[in-house]
Amino acid sequence: TQLLEQSPQFLSIQEGENLTVYCNSSSVFSSLQWYRQEPGEGPVLLVTVVTGGEVKKLKRLTFQFGDARKDSSLHITAAQPGDTGLYLCAGDTGRRALTFGSGTRLQVQP
Amino acid sequence: DTEVTQTPKHLVMGMTNKKSLKCEQHMGHRAMYWYKQKAKKPPELMFVYSYEKLSINESVPSRFSPECPNSSLLNLHLHALQPEDSALYLCASSQDRPGGGNTGELFFGEGSRLTVL
Repeated sequence: TQLLEQSPQFLSIQEGENLTVYCNSSSVFSSLQWYRQEPGEGPVLLVTVVTGGEVKKLKRLTFQFGDARKDSSLHITAAQPGDTGLYLCAGDTGRRALTFGSGTRLQVQP
Repeated sequence: DTEVTQTPKHLVMGMTNKKSLKCEQHMGHRAMYWYKQKAKKPPELMFVYSYEKLSINESVPSRFSPECPNSSLLNLHLHALQPEDSALYLCASSQDRPGGGNTGELFFGEGSRLTVL
């Protein structure tokens, strides 16, 4: 059973389009992180959200943490081919190591 | 460039071989991790070391044996592996142990791609 479910699992879009990736759970997290992984490399941290309802912006990426701290979303505006990769959310329950979501594979076509 | 260094980047081994994967970080982090990642899947936690002591073993088969010689180094010893163990093995570190009151941000190496023949 996957503790953190991401949707969609796969997304193929054209350059310039907008998209949203969702990360949902029935568990409450003390913090939630988003990572991006490119082929042949390890995941790289994009952002950490801690407070319920928090919104963080990183250039064209907007991250939101749900009010109840059970879910999160990642919105990308005007996607570019360089955004291609595997997007992973990861939650910290404060008890064990991070729990990774099921992943969203994004492909942005030029 | 990643601050977590893994060697080798690629490893091909037979089922009777003994090999080791190595990981090094110099960020002063006190928690280190091994993850296994199959193609198009998220990383799966294998082991966690906190302050050089094994704190989490996710029921990993004994053919995988972790070792933490000091706070900067983490090894994964491999023996009698199976072809289904072929995967990308990722090492990561974080400032403190899981649940230690910090946000547990992970810094990953680029991984060691293992092929078992």
